[in-house]
Amino acid sequence: AQSVTQLDSQVPVFEEAPVELRCNYSSSVSVYLFWYVQYPNQGLQLLLKYLSGSTLVESINGFEAEFNKSQTSFHLRKPSVHISDTAEYFCAVSPTGANNLFFGTGTRLTVIP
Amino acid sequence: ETGVTQSPTHLIKTRGQQVTLRCSSQSGHNTVSWYQQALGQGPQFIFQYYREEENGRGNFPPRFSGLQFPNYSSELNVNALELDDSALYLCASSLLSGGTPSTQYFGPGTRLTVL
Repeated sequence: AQSVTQLDSQVPVFEEAPVELRCNYSSSVSVYLFWYVQYPNQGLQLLLKYLSGSTLVESINGFEAEFNKSQTSFHLRKPSVHISDTAEYFCAVSPTGANNLFFGTGTRLTVIP
Repeated sequence: ETGVTQSPTHLIKTRGQQVTLRCSSQSGHNTVSWYQQALGQGPQFIFQYYREEENGRGNFPPRFSGLQFPNYSSELNVNALELDDSALYLCASSLLSGGTPSTQYFGPGTRLTVL
């Protein structure tokens, strides 16, 4: 069975400050890891994913996440946030060999001007 | 290239009724997955259809059923609606090919309210 824990339900941060959104998972099998973002009244959009290879993955808008197998974590970071980053962020895992996603409960990031 | 679309956007039903939600997958995709997102929660996997056959199911009762059509669009049917079925229902399409997971592209969702 798989489960995803996002410890912080809400994270307020000032504009241009760094941010880290935490994600831990548990699984009895190997998994792939994802971060999705949900803007108000919109569907989920893929932010970045880890399938294999380098444990540090980056998105086109400055976010990055590092897969840490020993700590079963996949924390999301950004060195300097913008107002437009205000959204709900979901961490998800997909068991290898499957094609469905198990999501955490989400972290609401609010960027304060 | 059109994205994933869902209809209707909002729906209000009463307990015991039946509902059908629709999803048009992204061009070129052969797989559709359905998720239920209750208020304040992450999406939960309901089931997935690949080439018109069910290809995995989450922990949902049989009154949740689905179809996938030859053009890869899909329907989610829920019978005997309960108050707890009130949620945002998300459809995601992807191209399943080989063993690597494909990116799932989500639609905007259908907001179902059960009174």
